[in-house]
Amino acid sequence: QKEVEQNSGPLSVPEGAIASLNCTYSDRGSQSFFWYRQYSGKSPELIMFIYSNGDKEDGRFTAQLNKASQYVSLLIRDSQPSDSATYLCAVGGGYSTLTFGKGTMLLVSP
Amino acid sequence: NAGVTQTPKFQVLKTGQSMTLQCAQDMNHNSMYWYRQDPGMGLRLIYYSASEGTTDKGEVPNGYNVSRLNKREFSLRLESAAPSQTSVYFCASSEGGSYNEQFFGPGTRLTVL
Repeated sequence: QKEVEQNSGPLSVPEGAIASLNCTYSDRGSQSFFWYRQYSGKSPELIMFIYSNGDKEDGRFTAQLNKASQYVSLLIRDSQPSDSATYLCAVGGGYSTLTFGKGTMLLVSP
Repeated sequence: NAGVTQTPKFQVLKTGQSMTLQCAQDMNHNSMYWYRQDPGMGLRLIYYSASEGTTDKGEVPNGYNVSRLNKREFSLRLESAAPSQTSVYFCASSEGGSYNEQFFGPGTRLTVL
């Protein structure tokens, strides 16, 4: 059974701070890694994907992947109240399906 | 482009009733998926279609059937609804293959009384 683990939170950070969201996965054969943002009552929205070890930056978001440690993280710089949402980590293994974690709730206070 | 669309947005059923949830995508994607999301349980895959003409069970297929009508459309049917099927249902699509960015529809909120 492939598993993706996330701390449920909430993770509370002040506006302007760096939010760090973490995810671990069980399947060593995993090849693709995704972060989705989900606002309350809305559908998941893809915000980052990463396929290779290291960092990938897109605006205020940085995804980090360490396959040896089976660990993925998402850093959000200069956090804004509009970043308050649940962040879902998803992992793919070279086939059509993804395994999702249960998500971490992020709260950014003004 | 509308992306992934789902109908209806909301539905209330009585136990034993049947219904079909509709999903369509206009991104020319090969693969389509049905998930349910329940509090504390995360997103769970019900069924998926890796390509037109194929369907496969996911993690929680019992009580559901699917039809990949064509490349654009993928429907989910509840033959005899049960209160345990009260959930939010999401359809998603992707190009498929190894690198599998999935894009989600707006969801259907289903209540079974």
